[in-house]
Amino acid sequence: ILNVEQSPQSLHVQEGDSTNFTCSFPSSNFYALHWYRWETAKSPEALFVMTLNGDEKKKGRISATLNTKEGYSYLYIKGSQPEDSATYLCASGGFKTIFGAGTRLFVKA
Amino acid sequence: KAGVTQTPRYLIKTRGQQVTLSCSPISGHRSVSWYQQTPGQGLQFLFEYFSETQRNKGNFPGRFSGRQFSNSRSEMNVSTLELGDSALYLCASSSTGTGNYGYTFGSGTRLTVV
Repeated sequence: ILNVEQSPQSLHVQEGDSTNFTCSFPSSNFYALHWYRWETAKSPEALFVMTLNGDEKKKGRISATLNTKEGYSYLYIKGSQPEDSATYLCASGGFKTIFGAGTRLFVKA
Repeated sequence: KAGVTQTPRYLIKTRGQQVTLSCSPISGHRSVSWYQQTPGQGLQFLFEYFSETQRNKGNFPGRFSGRQFSNSRSEMNVSTLELGDSALYLCASSSTGTGNYGYTFGSGTRLTVV
């Protein structure tokens, strides 16, 4: 059974701060690692899907790295803005994708 | 391209009743996965269907069941509702269900059991 863990559980930052979150997952039988952004009252939206060890992906001010050998991924947000406030979910798996509990980010203007 | 459509958006049911939720995936997507979210919990995997077959199932009691039709639309049924079944139920569609391309989520059905 996959166990995906995310830390921290929540984070409060000031506008302009850079921040990062961690996602840990079992490294055995790795298939793919996803990051999603989930804003209140909306649906989770896919940010990145990574499959290769060492993968780095970037979308605007948000980037992610992947280490499949040690079973972790980092999500970075550079220069946080209030509109970045959301829950960031990571998920691991193939046919049975398992989600972490998420990191709730609050960005204060 | 229409997104993933879940109906109804909100539902209130009484303990002991049963409920059916519906999910229409993105056109061309053959995989539909169902997740439950309760306060303080992450998304808990219920099951995944591909081409009308259940390929994977999470650790939920048999009261939770689902099916998928030939047009890829999926339904989830919960029988003998309990208070603890109150949750947001999300469905997610993908072309293959293998996770290579990520999932597209619906807006969810908020179920309240009283």
